[in-house]
Amino acid sequence: AQKITQTQPGMFVQEKEAVTLDCTYDTSDQSYGLFWYKQPSSGEMIFLIYQGSYDEQNATEGRYSLNFQKARKSANLVISASQLGDSAMYFCAMREGRGGGNKLTFGTGTQLKVEL
Amino acid sequence: EPEVTQTPSHQVTQMGQEVILRCVPISNHLYFYWYRQILGQKVEFLVSFYNNEISEKSEIFDDQFSVERPDGSNFTLKIRSTKLEDSAMYFCASSDWDINPMDTQYFGPGTRLTVL
Repeated sequence: AQKITQTQPGMFVQEKEAVTLDCTYDTSDQSYGLFWYKQPSSGEMIFLIYQGSYDEQNATEGRYSLNFQKARKSANLVISASQLGDSAMYFCAMREGRGGGNKLTFGTGTQLKVEL
Repeated sequence: EPEVTQTPSHQVTQMGQEVILRCVPISNHLYFYWYRQILGQKVEFLVSFYNNEISEKSEIFDDQFSVERPDGSNFTLKIRSTKLEDSAMYFCASSDWDINPMDTQYFGPGTRLTVL
């Protein structure tokens, strides 16, 4: 079974609208972390937001928020007020265990295109 | 803001040649990683490194690959005899779990390796 599933290969959103990028995960660990990264066409991987498995509040970072539903094992990224510069590939990733050298497992990504 | 740097940005080599990809992690980070991304595919874990030894490696990281921290700042990935299928973007990342419980991995800009 895939550990990270991103079911939307591509998404379109109008500028200034909100968009939700889906991510579901599979782990038997009690302690884990969920991350979202942005990869623009230039190729670098930019960290956006983190949610820990024990965090009771949904994470927020500026226009990014993470809709964490632990029972459903989902960690969807919400981008509010989309901008043209948000057009990029977005990857959901999971770190199993508490941390300290544990690898990230990535999903296949969602290509987001923001339109005027 | 501190960042991970990688050199070269693009490396072209002939099949069977050795390549060394270089990374300078963020200076106070203790955990280092290599990932690769074949064009159009998801990011895959290769190896993690802590305290001058490999913490974990994936099945991709076979005997052709090695990592080294030759001094206090550099972290290298060597591919001994490159194959066509080694063509990919290679990302270095570092994290600081000892300081930051999120253990966020910050990625470098990548080295695009092309094997001819």
